[in-house]
Amino acid sequence: QLVQSGAEVKKPGASVRVSCKASGYTFTSHDITWVRQAPGQGLEWMGWISGYNANTNYLQKLQGRVTMTTDTSTNTAYMELKSLTSDDTAVYYCARVLVTWGGWYSDYWGQGTLVTVSS
Amino acid sequence: DIQMTQSPSSLSASVGDRVSITCRASQSISRFLNWYQQKPGKAPKLLIYAASSLQSGVPSRFSGSGSGTDFTLTISSLQPEDFATYYCQQSHSIPRLTFGGGTKVEIK
Repeated sequence: QLVQSGAEVKKPGASVRVSCKASGYTFTSHDITWVRQAPGQGLEWMGWISGYNANTNYLQKLQGRVTMTTDTSTNTAYMELKSLTSDDTAVYYCARVLVTWGGWYSDYWGQGTLVTVSS
Repeated sequence: DIQMTQSPSSLSASVGDRVSITCRASQSISRFLNWYQQKPGKAPKLLIYAASSLQSGVPSRFSGSGSGTDFTLTISSLQPEDFATYYCQQSHSIPRLTFGGGTKVEIK
């Protein structure tokens, strides 16, 4: 199970940090990916963090603004996004990544966190 | 980055209809293709991975096919609970698991 932090309202230029607490599995055995969905739009992959060694890979257009981390002591993943604009208004999801012979896919998802950027 | 293009972007169908959704990759991704279903206000749900493997608990009316650049999700007999938006996702270019634009299945 993945449980995310609550909705946030931020002003343009601010930062937001969303948490994703995992339970029911060995946290370091699986990676986490973050996906966002702007209102009425499709899913956008934001990035990935290894549960094993915290290596990361980010969507190029978010490079420099996004940071993904994990805290293995609390089985929690975090996504921080800086310099927010109205274009960052979206529901943010974390999802567990399962690595198999058939590729990678996300079998468990958080409930989503709405981040609203408004002055 | 690999681009994923779905078609159609929306469709109208009736309960009991056979529905097919297409996903095309900008380069060959072998069979590294996943399908998700999303209902309004809910997180996506995994339906199919590795192009044609049904996720546990997903009804058998859902099936996936294809390889290389062209893939299809088929619902053999549309049920009321299947009205949703469907997304494909490539996992060839790991860890960048990019999505298609989505296909909304609506009630006719």
